[in-house]
Amino acid sequence: GAGVSQSPRYKVAKRGQDVALRCDPISGHVSLFWYQQALGQGPEFLTYFQNEAQLDKSGLPSDRFFAERPEGSVSTLKIQRTQQEDSAVYLCASSFETSGNSPLHFGNGTRLTVT
Amino acid sequence: AQSVTQLDSQVPVFEEAPVELRCNYSSSVSVYLFWYVQYPNQGLQLLLKYLSGSTLVKGINGFEAEFNKSQTSFHLRKPSVHISDTAEYFCAVTLSGNTGKLIFGQGTTLQVKP
Repeated sequence: GAGVSQSPRYKVAKRGQDVALRCDPISGHVSLFWYQQALGQGPEFLTYFQNEAQLDKSGLPSDRFFAERPEGSVSTLKIQRTQQEDSAVYLCASSFETSGNSPLHFGNGTRLTVT
Repeated sequence: AQSVTQLDSQVPVFEEAPVELRCNYSSSVSVYLFWYVQYPNQGLQLLLKYLSGSTLVKGINGFEAEFNKSQTSFHLRKPSVHISDTAEYFCAVTLSGNTGKLIFGQGTTLQVKP
């Protein structure tokens, strides 16, 4: 595709449910990032992949959050036993290179609402 | 650790007026600086970036920003705004040579009035 694709666009989950959010990066992009954007805030880093390797997961808020990118392309962010504080927009971004000067291309995000 | 402060949460301005959105950062090492724009219900789009070289950086949609190392600032400017510039603007920083992990400011809402 032409850009980063995320699905679903909207997800409503009851507290305690597990959710899985999908990200299709731009073909050939090596780096993939997940960010969490709470209402009225800037995005906050969650985790980073270089191909299939998860090199940085320092931003994951708890062990309920898990991300994978098994074949170095599509990535899934899983949240177990969702809590109300998990309500946010989850943004995925990819870039062609692994250095900081390669621009990030963002998807439109998945808006998660936990009731 | 790096941090970014956007000094204004909201900036109202009339159409065709100039605008400046302020951004200050803190870092003890060399950084790359970015401005992103976010339209409602969309992802972030890169406006411009500073990596090195000339401190005045020109971006898309007529925006420009100036890197000031002594003041640790990277303010965004546009000489004449349009209604379509109404959006959320984010300043971001990453370490030079890093993976591209961005630290974002809180955002500034630009409201352009007719």
